[in-house]
Amino acid sequence: QKEVEQNSGPLSVPEGAIASLNCTYSDRGSQSFFWYRQYSGKSPELIMFIYSNGDKEDGRFTAQLNKASQYVSLLIRDSQPSDSATYLCAVNGETGGFKTIFGAGTRLFVKA
Amino acid sequence: NAGVTQTPKFQVLKTGQSMTLQCAQDMNHNSMYWYRQDPGMGLRLIYYSASEGTTDKGEVPNGYNVSRLNKREFSLRLESAAPSQTSVYFCATRQETQYFGPGTRLLVL
Repeated sequence: QKEVEQNSGPLSVPEGAIASLNCTYSDRGSQSFFWYRQYSGKSPELIMFIYSNGDKEDGRFTAQLNKASQYVSLLIRDSQPSDSATYLCAVNGETGGFKTIFGAGTRLFVKA
Repeated sequence: NAGVTQTPKFQVLKTGQSMTLQCAQDMNHNSMYWYRQDPGMGLRLIYYSASEGTTDKGEVPNGYNVSRLNKREFSLRLESAAPSQTSVYFCATRQETQYFGPGTRLLVL
C-alpha cells in the first residue's frame, strides 16, 4: 500500500466550478500536510499547508484535514484555466522526522 | 535571493557515463533533499541530508551517491548511468515546507 494515495485523474471541471482533490495517508503519526501545485515542466510550489483537524482557507483554496479518517482534501473555488496543473499531496511521514512523503499527484484540467 | 539553484538544467548521457548534479541554496536551511520524478510515480526521495555532515538514504538510493559539501551545497552523483535513471531530478530544502529547485532533466541513452 502506498503511503500517500491520490487519484491520478485527470479531473476535468468547467471554469467557475469547485474542484475537489482528495488524498489519503497511511502513517497515523503524521503531523503536517501539504498541497503543492506543479505546472507542466516546472517544479512543485507550495499552495497550502494544514496541521490541525478541520478547514483552512486561503483565498480560493481550502484545505481540509480529518486525522481520524487519515484524509486530506483541497477545494479550489471559482476554478480558473490557470489552475490547470498537477496537485501533489504531501505528508511529513514521521513525527519529528526529516522525510516528506509525496503522492503521485492529481492532474486537474479547468475548461474555459 | 536565488533560493534553490540546480545545474545543469538538461543533460544527455550515454550508458555507463558518470556525472554530478549540483544543488545550492541561499535560504540557510539545514535539510536538503534529492528527488526524482517519473511519469505516474510522483516524487521519490533518493537521498537527504538533515544537516551539514550527515546524509541518509531515501526510497530509491541505488545507483546514486551524494555529498553534502557544506551547508549550502548538496550534490548527487551517478557513477555509471543507466537508462532507468532517465528522469527529472529535483533538489529541495526544507524548513517545515519544501522549497524546490528548477530541476535537471536527464536522458540516459
